Amino acid sequence: GAVVSQHPSRVICKSGTSVKIECRSLDFQATTMFWYRQFPKKSLMLMATSNEGSKATYEQGVEKDKFLINHASLTLSTLTVTSAHPEDSSFYICSATPGGYEQYFGPGTRLTVT
Amino acid sequence: GDSVTQMEGPVTLSEEAFLTINCTYTATGYPSLFWYVQYPGEGLQLLLKATKADDKGSNKGFEATYRKETTSFHLEKGSVQVSDSAVYFCALTIDQGAQKLVFGQGTRLTINP
Repeated sequence: GAVVSQHPSRVICKSGTSVKIECRSLDFQATTMFWYRQFPKKSLMLMATSNEGSKATYEQGVEKDKFLINHASLTLSTLTVTSAHPEDSSFYICSATPGGYEQYFGPGTRLTVT
Repeated sequence: GDSVTQMEGPVTLSEEAFLTINCTYTATGYPSLFWYVQYPGEGLQLLLKATKADDKGSNKGFEATYRKETTSFHLEKGSVQVSDSAVYFCALTIDQGAQKLVFGQGTRLTINP
């Protein structure tokens, strides 16, 4: 149980285009979902926290107009990278929690912007 | 701000060796501490946790003790196996309501047969 999926696992897009990443909790309802970014050999950096039906809370330094987060249902959150640039290339990871301390993580999405 | 520092990797050991991965933290409050493990191609999984000083978390032969006096939460295992090869992340949270995790940089562990 407690499986979180992400789609796609890898995506390559051209500079200036937008790309959407989906995060789904497959067997539980997620009251809260989190989006992280991981740079090579670096730790996971929290980008934003989203609660179903409300606006996401972004961490300091994260551009909310560039990284659009939608948490439309208790099992789905999406991250859209708008007008992507090569510096947005990274590994994006989501997590979800039904409540309590434990977060369940997706396998991540590798974004490459050319 | 709150932060977590892990020992630099990668770490390579032989099977049945003793493992220690160091983790120290800086926090303004009283954090809960976690170790997560990421196996190849999979998402992070909670390995163990400790919520207050002197607590010992344990799972799958791994242990870590919450040491408030040294602000540490070192991960140990007495005899590692090839299947333990993974990336290990130390993390903390002090905001129980928001559940925001602060991660260390991760330590890649490779166990050779």
